[in-house]
Amino acid sequence: SYELTQAPSVSVSPGLTATITCSGDKLGNRFACWYQQKPGQSPVLLIYQDTKRPSGIPERFSGSNSGNTATLTISETQAMDEADYYCQAWDRGAAVFGSGTRLTVL
Amino acid sequence: EVQLVESGGGLVQPGGSLRLSCAGSGFTFKDYWMSWVRQAPGKGLEWVAHIRRDGSDKYYADSVKGRFTMSRDNAKNSVFLQVNSPRAEDTAVYYCVRFGLISIVPTPVGYFDSWGQGILVTVSS
Repeated sequence: SYELTQAPSVSVSPGLTATITCSGDKLGNRFACWYQQKPGQSPVLLIYQDTKRPSGIPERFSGSNSGNTATLTISETQAMDEADYYCQAWDRGAAVFGSGTRLTVL
Repeated sequence: EVQLVESGGGLVQPGGSLRLSCAGSGFTFKDYWMSWVRQAPGKGLEWVAHIRRDGSDKYYADSVKGRFTMSRDNAKNSVFLQVNSPRAEDTAVYYCVRFGLISIVPTPVGYFDSWGQGILVTVSS
């Protein structure tokens, strides 16, 4: 079965750029999505089709996808960005999620 | 504003059954595929199933295939998840999710653009 790999945790200082990666075999050939989940809350769609942002998502959040890696970039990271981030792609009709990356804003 | 409200969760015994419901509002329900995604306590997200706009096509995760059945009633703006023969590993918060379809060929591809608040299902004797 298809697997997506994420680092368990990433730390960033406020105001700096956070980079969260998601790896999978030829992931660049599939559409990648990113979701943010804060403690006790439901996930929120941040990025779809590799690079697109839904309305209401700040421009600080951007995505890319090439080769075997999809990347979520958070510019000018704020304390409110502290959350779990999940990537997601598709494999033969099944949605596959990464294991999630906890972003800590120090 | 899109709203998805789940109901029907709770405690169920292994081998029993449970039916989850989800009522949608704030959008044209019949125009969207719908999905269920679950999250075990302290764990990550796991896709469970999704259903075509008219209910004629359904996809299931291997972990629930043959035990769970997803359906919908567009007249009532609702989707359902029939959970049969649950196991301890089915214990999770179940989210009702609107599915934004990008492509349907060869298999549906899209994104999960609106999530309900989730409902807890606990499988235990």
